[in-house]
Amino acid sequence: DTAVSQTPKYLVTQMGNDKSIKCEQNLGHDTMYWYKQDSKKFLKIMFSYNNKELIINETVPNRFSPKSPDKAHLNLHINSLELGDSAVYFCASSQDRSYGYTFGSGTRLTVV
Amino acid sequence: GQNIDQPTEMTATEGAIVQINCTYQTSGFNGLFWYQQHAGEAPTFLSYNVLDGLEEKGRFSSFLSRSKGYSYLLLKELQMKDSASYLCAVRDTGGFKTIFGAGTRLFVKA
Repeated sequence: DTAVSQTPKYLVTQMGNDKSIKCEQNLGHDTMYWYKQDSKKFLKIMFSYNNKELIINETVPNRFSPKSPDKAHLNLHINSLELGDSAVYFCASSQDRSYGYTFGSGTRLTVV
Repeated sequence: GQNIDQPTEMTATEGAIVQINCTYQTSGFNGLFWYQQHAGEAPTFLSYNVLDGLEEKGRFSSFLSRSKGYSYLLLKELQMKDSASYLCAVRDTGGFKTIFGAGTRLFVKA
């Protein structure tokens, strides 16, 4: 009965590889997001989707490509991974603008 | 530009009251949020202010002054489990983008 679930929780991979992170929410929310939290704990928005439509693309390298097959899912694919991509990636969802986000448990990505 | 400032760290004693301040300068405003994040965990939503004034929720209260670009989170009757980072966040006018501050790490000591 997890509200926002992300997989995998941990991901260790070599530079140059391609990887995907999956996110699913069962809350019936219309909007989903990807945030990146770096080592200094800054949460930075990457993408926002509303009803499967891309709303926000926050100057993220085009190696990062989100995909929303339906409004309950928002996946993140990363090509040609770099050391600087190491961070915790959080998926989140919200129903409307007056409610806070519900975050997934995060995916800790380590690029070696 | 977008800027959200909050103290990096604070320490308080169990049972006491602590106030965590946040000032913001953003190009648009559609609400201010506070989140709690324990180490190694996801942020969890605490409070939302869109109008000036105080919102109270149990031991936690949040205040907003839009004209001053200022908010605070007040935690009463501190407990050890309140040791966490507290993130101030502002939602933009369009409503689809929320900017987060760097967070305030609160240490509660016995």
